[in-house]
Amino acid sequence: AQSVAQPEDQVNVAEGNPLTVKCTYSVSGNPYLFWYVQYPNRGLQFLLKYITGDNLVKGSYGFEAEFNKSQTSFHLKKPSALVSDSALYFCAVRDPSNSGYALNFGKGTSLLVTP
Amino acid sequence: DVKVTQSSRYLVKRTGEKVFLECVQDMDHENMFWYRQDPGLGLRLIYFSYDVKMKEKGDIPEGYSVSREKKERFSLILESASTNQTSMYLCASSMSGGYSNTQYFGPGTRLTVL
Repeated sequence: AQSVAQPEDQVNVAEGNPLTVKCTYSVSGNPYLFWYVQYPNRGLQFLLKYITGDNLVKGSYGFEAEFNKSQTSFHLKKPSALVSDSALYFCAVRDPSNSGYALNFGKGTSLLVTP
Repeated sequence: DVKVTQSSRYLVKRTGEKVFLECVQDMDHENMFWYRQDPGLGLRLIYFSYDVKMKEKGDIPEGYSVSREKKERFSLILESASTNQTSMYLCASSMSGGYSNTQYFGPGTRLTVL
């Protein structure tokens, strides 16, 4: 079975400070990992994904994520947070050894960046 | 840019009504998906389709059906709406040919069943 966990319901950070949104996964094979962002009353927007290769993945809006196989983690990071980064963030995983194309999503982490 | 559109942003229906949610994508994607999003539960897959007239159940298909008569259109049907189907419904699409392909989402339909 595959699963993904986002251990924090909410993350608060001051503008200009670095931010981290945590994600851990549990799959039987080598995972494909994704981060999405959702602004209020909007659909999900793709930020970045890890497939293979370099463990540090760079994505949209200055976000990056680090794949750590030994810790089964894929934390989302940004060096300097903006108030406009406040949104709901979802981590998702796909185990390529399983059939089907759907993603398994975490429950989401609400990020609040204060001025 | 990939564009996924959903027929309604907000919908209010009564218990027992038949409800149709429409999704259209303009990127010739083979795969299309319907999720529902509820606070504290994240996104849960209802159904997906990997080709015209092909469908597979997701994690929570009970009370729902789907239709895909054309490649660009994927419909979610609530045969007899119930209050526990009040939720945000999100449609997504992706290319076939690889499990790493990105899913692109529509803006969502917030359905309220009274």
